[in-house]
Amino acid sequence: DAGVIQSPRHEVTEMGQEVTLRCKPISGHDYLFWYRQTMMRGLELLIYFNNNVPIDDSGMPEDRFSAKMPNASFSTLKIQPSEPRDSAVYFCASSLVSNTEAFFGQGTRLTVV
Amino acid sequence: GQQVMQIPQYQHVQEGEDFTTYCNSSTTLSNIQWYKQRPGGHPVFLIQLVKSGEVKKQKRLTFQFGEAKKNSSLHITATQTTDVGTYFCAGRAGGGNKLTFGTGTQLKVEL
Repeated sequence: DAGVIQSPRHEVTEMGQEVTLRCKPISGHDYLFWYRQTMMRGLELLIYFNNNVPIDDSGMPEDRFSAKMPNASFSTLKIQPSEPRDSAVYFCASSLVSNTEAFFGQGTRLTVV
Repeated sequence: GQQVMQIPQYQHVQEGEDFTTYCNSSTTLSNIQWYKQRPGGHPVFLIQLVKSGEVKKQKRLTFQFGEAKKNSSLHITATQTTDVGTYFCAGRAGGGNKLTFGTGTQLKVEL
């Protein structure tokens, strides 16, 4: 398996624009996580899904952020409108079942100017 | 909400010296995991501890889970330059699968 695949790897966008980050989890994994990493706040869990259903979205910063998982092999994290403070590395991770290791993708480095 | 803190935030050592990072959770954990993130990379799973007081070893790395299941530690014996990176603990509380990461300890190893 190629592991968790995220796209794009880098994204530079202007403030106010919509940004969509994409993630393909490892095939057969039931859980998918979205994390945001910044120097100030570290690794923050934004939302996680179990069998395509959002379980906990308490980490989503505000209504500008939304995440979907239309099927078992694809998830998106959307920011609309984007702001400079959204600049961060966004990681997607998946795990096989509950209470097992999480496999991380390479991350998307987002810069909002 | 659940908070997981790590100390120290940074550690500079000479190659061959030992290193320890400590992890403390505000709530009791069902299990704890440790990850390593190389500069510019992504977190990579190292190990999971489940039982109270559990100790596990991986070559030069020793992991410990506290008796109260609220703290953990990672000790590296005789550090090498390949140990450079940020070490994170990550815990789950209650019966859920919400994995909360600690604040991380950045390790630098000099020759």
